[in-house]
Amino acid sequence: QKEVEQNSGPLSVPEGAIASLNCTYSDRVSQSFFWYRQYSGKSPELIMSIYSNGDKEDGRFTAQLNKASQYVSLLIRDSQPSDSATYLCAVKNQGGKLIFGQGTELSVKP
Amino acid sequence: KAGVTQTPRYLIKTRGQQVTLSCSPISGHRSVSWYQQTPGQGLQFLFEYFSETQRNKGNFPGRFSGRQFSNSRSEMNVSTLELGDSALYLCASSFSSRDTEAFFGQGTRLTVV
Repeated sequence: QKEVEQNSGPLSVPEGAIASLNCTYSDRVSQSFFWYRQYSGKSPELIMSIYSNGDKEDGRFTAQLNKASQYVSLLIRDSQPSDSATYLCAVKNQGGKLIFGQGTELSVKP
Repeated sequence: KAGVTQTPRYLIKTRGQQVTLSCSPISGHRSVSWYQQTPGQGLQFLFEYFSETQRNKGNFPGRFSGRQFSNSRSEMNVSTLELGDSALYLCASSFSSRDTEAFFGQGTRLTVV
């Protein structure tokens, strides 16, 4: 089992829709969770961090964390074509390593 | 405030050579982590340095090594390059090594021929 798992996609949504990206992790004692966005040919860009159970909202982005289910998600409301990118889930494990999932490719169609 | 700076941006090396990549973290950040990104394997953790000490290491062979200087700048070295070492090497800096956000540099694209 991989430490951090994501659906590779591609996930295709129409412009204006809600995009839902999901991630599960295996290290039950992980405390820190992050979402990065990576455009093709660019480096990952941090868009959200979450440390406590529940929802955290920042503009059009909402991160959701459920530690009991070992599940993290990212919702993007009013999706725009400029949101088309690969979204990487990252979890800091018990050993202190920041481990990334394989990423989900999101395509927002005009 | 300057971001994370990696040099060089692009590099072409021959099999068997060695290479040194450099990373200057965000001012005030003391933790530097290195990652290898390939299309097939995704982002894989190489190692993390904090205050000149290696805090964590990934599952890479001993040909991959690193160090951190007193000004928090870090270098990673790959010896005896193999074709499979061709990848984007990314450095991320954070304030500390625990529970803090990490910010990436632009990366060094290494091609081994």
